[in-house]
Amino acid sequence: AQKVTQAQTEISVVEKEDVTLDCVYETRDTTYYLFWYKQPPSGELVFLIRRNSFDEQNEISGRYSWNFQKSTSSFNFTITASQVVDSAVYFCALSESFGNEKLTFGTGTRLTIIP
Amino acid sequence: GAGVSQTPSNKVTEKGKYVELRCDPISGHTALYWYRQSLGQGPEFLIYFQGTGAADDSGLPNDRFFAVRPEGSVSTLKIQRTERGDSAVYLCASSSHVGRDFISYNEQFFGPGTRLTVL
Repeated sequence: AQKVTQAQTEISVVEKEDVTLDCVYETRDTTYYLFWYKQPPSGELVFLIRRNSFDEQNEISGRYSWNFQKSTSSFNFTITASQVVDSAVYFCALSESFGNEKLTFGTGTRLTIIP
Repeated sequence: GAGVSQTPSNKVTEKGKYVELRCDPISGHTALYWYRQSLGQGPEFLIYFQGTGAADDSGLPNDRFFAVRPEGSVSTLKIQRTERGDSAVYLCASSSHVGRDFISYNEQFFGPGTRLTVL
């Protein structure tokens, strides 16, 4: 069975600080995808990134970066120089199967950026 | 182009009543997923359609829940004899999946959800 754990329920940081959101996953498959989604107060899920299990290169997109480490089954997300607009709930998710790309989500981390 | 739409946006019902939630996927998307998000939790998978057929309904919590997609486009999630514990946001997502290899992952696009409240 697959499982995604986001141990940080809530995080608050002052604007312009860096913040890292942790994600640990469990799967028996050797091929899988990992995701991060943002859910702002409006409620709609916004896709941020997808990584496949064969690609452990870290990725940077503007102020966002992701660190994927298979050795520790972790896929952490860092926001640099945080802004108030980054306030949201962030979900890490896992997809295992060919043909059925259903997502298993973590419980989310509520991030609050204090102006 | 239009994204995934869901109606109604909000539904309030009484315990024991029957409800239907509708999802209009992105035009041409063959795969459709339903998820349920309870307060303070991440979305949980309910059912997956490929075309008209339910390819995986392992997430449906019990036989009060049923979903259809008769023409391979619009889907309806049906809940009988609603209970207070059914209160949640029901999310729908679609993708253009037509069978894939590991590289060509098909992105899921989520709708805004239907907030169901059972009194």
